[in-house]
Amino acid sequence: AQSVTQLGSHVSVSEGALVLLRCNYSSSVPPYLFWYVQYPNQGLQLLLKYTSAATLVKGINGFEAEFKKSETSFHLTKPSAHMSDAAEYFCAVSEGRGSTLGRLYFGRGTQLTVWP
Amino acid sequence: EAQVTQNPRYLITVTGKKLTVTCSQNMNHEYMSWYRQDPGLGLRQIYYSMNVEVTDKGDVPEGYKVSRKEKRNFPLILESPSPNQTSLYFCASSLEGLAGELFFGEGSRLTVL
Repeated sequence: AQSVTQLGSHVSVSEGALVLLRCNYSSSVPPYLFWYVQYPNQGLQLLLKYTSAATLVKGINGFEAEFKKSETSFHLTKPSAHMSDAAEYFCAVSEGRGSTLGRLYFGRGTQLTVWP
Repeated sequence: EAQVTQNPRYLITVTGKKLTVTCSQNMNHEYMSWYRQDPGLGLRQIYYSMNVEVTDKGDVPEGYKVSRKEKRNFPLILESPSPNQTSLYFCASSLEGLAGELFFGEGSRLTVL
């Protein structure tokens, strides 16, 4: 089973500052990796996903993430934060193969606050 | 409009009273799954279904049942709810399993007294 660790349950940045949300996973086998965003009282929305095509993945709203196999990491970044980025962000990892192909593991989430 | 619809959105019930949370998608997706979200724990997968009549356990299946008799519906059944099942539940679907984008419902907030 996968283990997904998101460092920092709360991250605060000023508007215009760099956003960095960290995610590490446990498996040495490259799985599918995702970042989802959840706005208050809503379901989750896909920001981006890694499916072994390219290690740097670009997503919606200016976010991107880099897959680093050697570090088992998939950190999310955005060069310049906007007030509308304030939300909770979840990293998710799948097994990606075999009998557990449909299993999906989420991190505990990081609440992003953006100060004006 | 493409969507995943869950009902009920809010429910307060009592211990032991069987309930069903319905989930329906209109996108002809093969993959469907259920998650529960608890503060500080993120989302945890309860069950998933790769296709009709094919269901498998996720991380926290105890106390839940599912069925997938038709492609569009994937109900979550709590045969004998207990207070530790008080949670926010999400249903999601995808066209290509986990290689594709998961579309989430708006959530069902369940309270078991």
